[in-house]
Formats: sequence, C-alpha cells, structure tokens
Amino acid sequence: EAQVTQNPRYLITVTGKKLTVTCSQNMNHEYMSWYRQDPGLGLRQIYYSMNVEVTDKGDVPEGYKVSRKEKRNFPLILESPSPNQTSLYFCASSLSGQGPSGANVLTFGAGSRLTVL
Amino acid sequence: AQTVTQSQPEMSVQEAETVTLSCTYDTSENNYYLFWYKQPPSRQMILVIRQEAYKQQNATENRFSVNFQKAAKSFSLKISDSQLGDTAMYFCAFMAPWVGANSKLTFGKGITLSVRP
Repeated sequence: EAQVTQNPRYLITVTGKKLTVTCSQNMNHEYMSWYRQDPGLGLRQIYYSMNVEVTDKGDVPEGYKVSRKEKRNFPLILESPSPNQTSLYFCASSLSGQGPSGANVLTFGAGSRLTVL
Repeated sequence: AQTVTQSQPEMSVQEAETVTLSCTYDTSENNYYLFWYKQPPSRQMILVIRQEAYKQQNATENRFSVNFQKAAKSFSLKISDSQLGDTAMYFCAFMAPWVGANSKLTFGKGITLSVRP
C-alpha cells in the first residue's frame, strides 16, 4: 500500500530531551515536507526537501532540524524540545515539488502528537 | 505571500441537506492550485477536491463540488446530501508550486462541520 509512515504516533517528553520523529514513504517521491498543526492556526510548513541532500526552511523552522540522506526517509529532529513545540506533526510527500498537474499532490502521514512538558 | 481565510469557525447541517463552506485567498500569482482537505477525528488529512486555477470549470467529486471565482479569489466547497461521516474539520489550502519550487500548502484555520442525524 502506498503510504507515508510516521513514528511515533504519540510521544510525551520533557524539555531539553532530544527526540526524532521519523517519516518514510514507499512511493519513490522526490518531494517531502513537515507541517505542524496548532488550534486556530491551521497547518504550517516547517521544512521541505526537493530531493536527496536538498532541504530548505519553511515558514516555522526555528527549533527543528531535518536531513534527507535517502530518498524515502525525512526525519524531523528536535534537538532541545520546548513546550511551545507541543503540537500535531504531519509528514507529507509528493512525486515532485513542482511541475505538471498531479505531480505535486501531497500524501500525508497519519500525524504524530507530541507533548513537551 | 499567500494567505487563506476561512472566516466561519463552525457550521452545522442536518443529514441529507446541503452545506457550503467558504474560503477566500489572496495571491499575486496567476497559476496555482486550490484544495479542500478533510480531517476527521482520526486526524488523518484526506484530500477532498482540487481545483487548478487555469481551469474555468469547477471541480466535482461525487457529492463534493466547488464554486471557484478567480477574480473574487473565492473557493467555496458544497457538500450535497450530507452524511454523518462528513463530520470533520475542513481546511482550505493554496499551492503555487512554481514559487521557490516548493509544493507548500498554505492552509486556512479550518472549519468544524457537524452533521446532525
């Protein structure tokens, strides 16, 4: 089944304890991206990657890191989590970051609920 | 920068009735895509419908249709024959993938739709 898989789905952690949220897709998609969802704000882009070894900041990158060493994986790293990073996180991928109609339709993962105490 | 506005935080509709969800957006781009996503209590992001700005014909998907008014920058979603399973949060979103080669979705704040039995 074509899908984007995120882990963990739920996590409660404490301030300052490094954590990684993994994201993997099995569709050979070039483009991958992370969003966070907060009440009253919708979803906002954190980081994105056009292809292997190519990453760039989205609208709210502060406090996050990413890497794209393999095409299928795009982990989100919180080096020193803080309570304002408590949120619902989504990973998404598409065939291409630009180009013809359909190539940029995003497939979303199931979401990861993160709580930082 | 693009903005998406969903001014109604909540709506309610009787089962089998028709409901329209409003969305306006602001952009200086001429070519772009507009989307409606559904987020049920499971939190999964589900694509409902997509409209390409260069197509004048309004998109339809079964019971879901849009009223796309490019000059007015309006993109409303009509749900016909509402079903209990339509109860969810609905997000309007904008994408201009040729801007910075980033398939970033800019989301509205969302509207919570409740379908009453």
